[in-house]
Amino acid sequence: DAGVTQSPTHLIKTRGQQVTLRCSPKSGHDTVSWYQQALGQGPQFIFQYYEEEERQRGNFPDRFSGHQFPNYSSELNVNALLLGDSALYLCASSPPQGAGYEAFFGQGTRLTVV
Amino acid sequence: QQQVKQSPQSLIVQKGGISIINCAYENTAFDYFPWYQQFPGKGPALLIAIRPDVSEKKEGRFTISFNKSAKQFSLHIMDSQPGDSATYFCAGPFSGTYKYIFGTGTRLKVLA
Repeated sequence: DAGVTQSPTHLIKTRGQQVTLRCSPKSGHDTVSWYQQALGQGPQFIFQYYEEEERQRGNFPDRFSGHQFPNYSSELNVNALLLGDSALYLCASSPPQGAGYEAFFGQGTRLTVV
Repeated sequence: QQQVKQSPQSLIVQKGGISIINCAYENTAFDYFPWYQQFPGKGPALLIAIRPDVSEKKEGRFTISFNKSAKQFSLHIMDSQPGDSATYFCAGPFSGTYKYIFGTGTRLKVLA
């Protein structure tokens, strides 16, 4: 059983560009959350998708958007990249409500904005 | 502001010793308390977790102690090994959601 998979693992973008990151959740999980982890800090919640809709959102600007597909996979899009967007982006998947509280993380995508 | 305060920021322990990391939370809506282990360049891995209806949970060398009245929980690593050297995060999700608030992390180094 594959865990949470993210692609790509590393990415270098230029300031002002747009980026799309991808996530496949763990089998049987229907909720996907995205986190941003700056160097030396804890992960910060960006938003969460359930039933193809954004269910919750953290304190991130509208430049950060996402999507969830019918197979529960998800994308994170960031527009107009800033140098400060450089971070490890983590995807976490969780089981259906009532089946547990766990969140399982992927290995992350390291985004560098130059 | 719903915060999770973690201490210490860094910890050095001799091989075979006990590592203790503490977390304090403010939001009483939290009803699940996990600890994550993260190695450099990797995503956080769920290590052990506890629900507030128990005061202690042990899995192998790892134990969570939970004090609901004090709104604190801690991770104890017994017989610490060099392979335990990593960054540890406590977290709390808001009740009924998977929106996790993470602590600031503790960098553990176990000396051989």
